[in-house]
Amino acid sequence: SAVISQKPSRDICQRGTSLTIQCQVDSQVTMMFWYRQQPGQSLTLIATANQGSEATYESGFVIDKFPISRPNLTFSTLTVSNMSPEDSSIYLCSVAGPGTGNSNYGYTFGSGTRLTVV
Amino acid sequence: GENVEQHPSTLSVQEGDSAVIKCTYSDSASNYFPWYKQELGKRPQLIIDIRSNVGEKKDQRIAVTLNKTAKHFSLHITETQPEDSAVYFCAASSGGSYIPTFGRGTSLIVHP
Repeated sequence: SAVISQKPSRDICQRGTSLTIQCQVDSQVTMMFWYRQQPGQSLTLIATANQGSEATYESGFVIDKFPISRPNLTFSTLTVSNMSPEDSSIYLCSVAGPGTGNSNYGYTFGSGTRLTVV
Repeated sequence: GENVEQHPSTLSVQEGDSAVIKCTYSDSASNYFPWYKQELGKRPQLIIDIRSNVGEKKDQRIAVTLNKTAKHFSLHITETQPEDSAVYFCAASSGGSYIPTFGRGTSLIVHP
């Protein structure tokens, strides 16, 4: 399966500042996905990033707040802009496939970025 | 859009017991149902999945069942071990992209 390197692993940021999270995949992938996981909560899709086109954002997420870059098929960044304490969360990138063993499909996640905004 | 409900939110069992986690989904077009395990402080990892043309799938101590008519699917873990303690997420997706909608998660605690 794909190996994803995500950084930083954690950060503590001042409100009003921005943080850029990077994900590097060891193989070329068409789509990369960015998720948010608030403490003790489920995974919420922020946006889908395709190389060469604008990211597609889910309801409740906007480009001005979460700009995404996808310069090539192995790399993507998510920026959390003008942060507030409500942005404190874990942010994960993800790529599609492959599944486990004899599974059909699946998603592989990066190790996550634990963001605390103070 | 798809809505996935997952129960229970917390499940506590004794080592060696079985554990069952249940999910329902709303979109009849969903055709792919993965389960993820997330240990504390780690990334979610796919443990098993099933497609809509299959009713049951097993992999050693874990199995997943799917009832398309009732739109529900379940994860079964037999002979639980302390290392099974984690948060388990079910998900449902459809279409070519298989982008999943996740349930809210079940915190499984296996007591030695």
